[in-house]
Amino acid sequence: DIQMTQSPSSLSASVGDRVTITCRASQSISSYLNWYQQKPGKAPKLLIYAASSLQSGVPSRFSGSGSGTDFTLTISSLQPEDFATYYCQQSYSTLSITFGQGTRLEIK
Amino acid sequence: QVTLKESGPVLVKPTETLTLTCTVSGFSLSNARMGVSWIRQPPGKALEWLAHIFSNDEKSYSTSLKSRLTISKDTSKSQVVLTMTNMDPVDTATYYCARIRGPVVAADYWGQGTLVTVSS
Repeated sequence: DIQMTQSPSSLSASVGDRVTITCRASQSISSYLNWYQQKPGKAPKLLIYAASSLQSGVPSRFSGSGSGTDFTLTISSLQPEDFATYYCQQSYSTLSITFGQGTRLEIK
Repeated sequence: QVTLKESGPVLVKPTETLTLTCTVSGFSLSNARMGVSWIRQPPGKALEWLAHIFSNDEKSYSTSLKSRLTISKDTSKSQVVLTMTNMDPVDTATYYCARIRGPVVAADYWGQGTLVTVSS
């Protein structure tokens, strides 16, 4: 299986900060990388697909970049509603799709 | 409006078989390049992809759980069914179904999830 490693595992930041979360794949996955946001007690929400495409309805302060093995999710100016857990997910190997372990974004 | 709803038992005993049903609306299970996946999340832990099925009946399973999982669909009923055999307390989790679209297999719509507890 392709392993997905996110860093950091947790992060404290303030409203208005620029935040970057990294996801690294154990082998090249081209651009088959999606990002999700999950709030407590809720289902995940798709933010970014194919590494850099913004899902419809998602604010433009969210952006994704990368290809191959290294990917980033950036929030340009944190808003109160952005405090949540973020997951990356690879779909290069559709025979075994995997998620990262998650990054918890907390209020400083 | 796309919606997905999971249904099934909230409590199962160890060694029993779990059967979960995902009923979808707002799209057809025959839509090209679309499908449904099952994903679970143990309390306080990360998401885990279990299985998915596409409109052309292409199926895929988690490597670690493949021997225990079966996914199927009934297009006429707009339902996708997941069975998991030999349930264990470590399988206690919230189970989600989600619509996926290819080729990046992004889960763009999710059900609310159903908590399944495995206990005697």
